[in-house]
Amino acid sequence: DQQVKQNSPSLSVQEGRISILNCDYTNSMFDYFLWYKKYPAEGPTFLISISSIKDKNEDGRFTVFLNKSAKHLSLHIVPSQPGDSAVYFCAASATSGGSYIPTFGRGTSLIVHP
Amino acid sequence: DGGITQSPKYLFRKEGQNVTLSCEQNLNHDAMYWYRQDPGQGLRLIYYSQIVNDFQKGDIAEGYSVSREKKESFPLTVTSAQKNPTAFYLCASSIGFFNEQFFGPGTRLTVL
Repeated sequence: DQQVKQNSPSLSVQEGRISILNCDYTNSMFDYFLWYKKYPAEGPTFLISISSIKDKNEDGRFTVFLNKSAKHLSLHIVPSQPGDSAVYFCAASATSGGSYIPTFGRGTSLIVHP
Repeated sequence: DGGITQSPKYLFRKEGQNVTLSCEQNLNHDAMYWYRQDPGQGLRLIYYSQIVNDFQKGDIAEGYSVSREKKESFPLTVTSAQKNPTAFYLCASSIGFFNEQFFGPGTRLTVL
């Protein structure tokens, strides 16, 4: 049973436009959320995170929004660039429950067309 | 130049053979992890270690074994008991549990 779901396996966006990647979770104990970016044949790299005490965190072109009532988070990339083409993993952990190790979603493959 | 190294990048083994995947980090991180990634799947946790000489099973530990004799090293052995060992294996580390993980480049294991 997947606790972290990324329901869109892939997303195609034009360069310069906004990319919105979505993630849903089922475990109400999750209180810390992370996004990782992964290129083929490489390990994931940390992108941005958000704690459940916030509803938004921004870092340059990347913004993560958290809607706790809907158990939903999204990653916005504005403007999208061809170099953003990668697989994006959403991850969640229940830090207050003592289980810090994140649970990962299956990933969304983003393709940004020039 | 700190980071995590995994070797080799590609590994081929015959069915029934044990194989050990290397993971070394010079980030002075306490926690280390092993994940497995299959096509269309997320990262599934095999084993993790919070400190030296201590490690815990993850979600899919059957058929795998680990050791943590040194802070810098966390080798993973894929035994013949693992039913479907062909996969992409990722090692990661973090300062502590409540921190983002740093991943190595991965090892693609193919069992023939």
